[in-house]
Amino acid sequence: QKEVEQNSGPLSVPEGAIASLNCTYSDRVSQSFFWYRQYSGKSPELIMSIYSNGDKEDGRFTAQLNKASQYVSLLIRDSQPSDSATYLCAVNFISGTYKYIFGTGTRLKVLA
Amino acid sequence: GAVVSQHPSWVICKSGTSVKIECRSLDFQATTMFWYRQFPKQSLMLMATSNEGSKATYEQGVEKDKFLINHASLTLSTLTVTSAHPEDSSFYICSAREGGALNQPQHFGDGTRLSIL
Repeated sequence: QKEVEQNSGPLSVPEGAIASLNCTYSDRVSQSFFWYRQYSGKSPELIMSIYSNGDKEDGRFTAQLNKASQYVSLLIRDSQPSDSATYLCAVNFISGTYKYIFGTGTRLKVLA
Repeated sequence: GAVVSQHPSWVICKSGTSVKIECRSLDFQATTMFWYRQFPKQSLMLMATSNEGSKATYEQGVEKDKFLINHASLTLSTLTVTSAHPEDSSFYICSAREGGALNQPQHFGDGTRLSIL
């Protein structure tokens, strides 16, 4: 059974700090990795995707992928109270389908 | 770009009613759409994968006769919850992806909150 694991949190950080969210997955043969943000009562929205080892930056967000260690992380710089949400990690394993395996999500609280 | 519209956003109905939920990709063609279900404080649970012009692929434990999926065009998929009961009350979310590479992300609709009385 392929799995994607995240710490459920809550992760509390002060406003302006860097929030670091981590995700590990169980299968080395994986293709694509995605981070989604989900506000309470809303549907997920795509933040970033990453496919190759290393860092990928987009504004205040940086995704980091290390396939050898089987983890993907999301850094949020200059965290704002509006970043308070649940962050979902999704992995598309190479299996001939396009479906994701989602982690259970990490709840982030940014304290003003 | 990549907008997915889901309708209705909220449904309250009596037990035994069938409910249809629509999912549309507004500015791209979606060869594959997905239907998820989410209970409070839990993660997304994939119910089925819907491919245009073919039968949906259901996940283990999901009753295909209970949750009917139709993906009749490249921009529309529907989920019908047949003879809904209170235990079917949940947040249903669709997503869609453009065709092509595995790297294409899924884009989510706003979800449908279904309450069965």
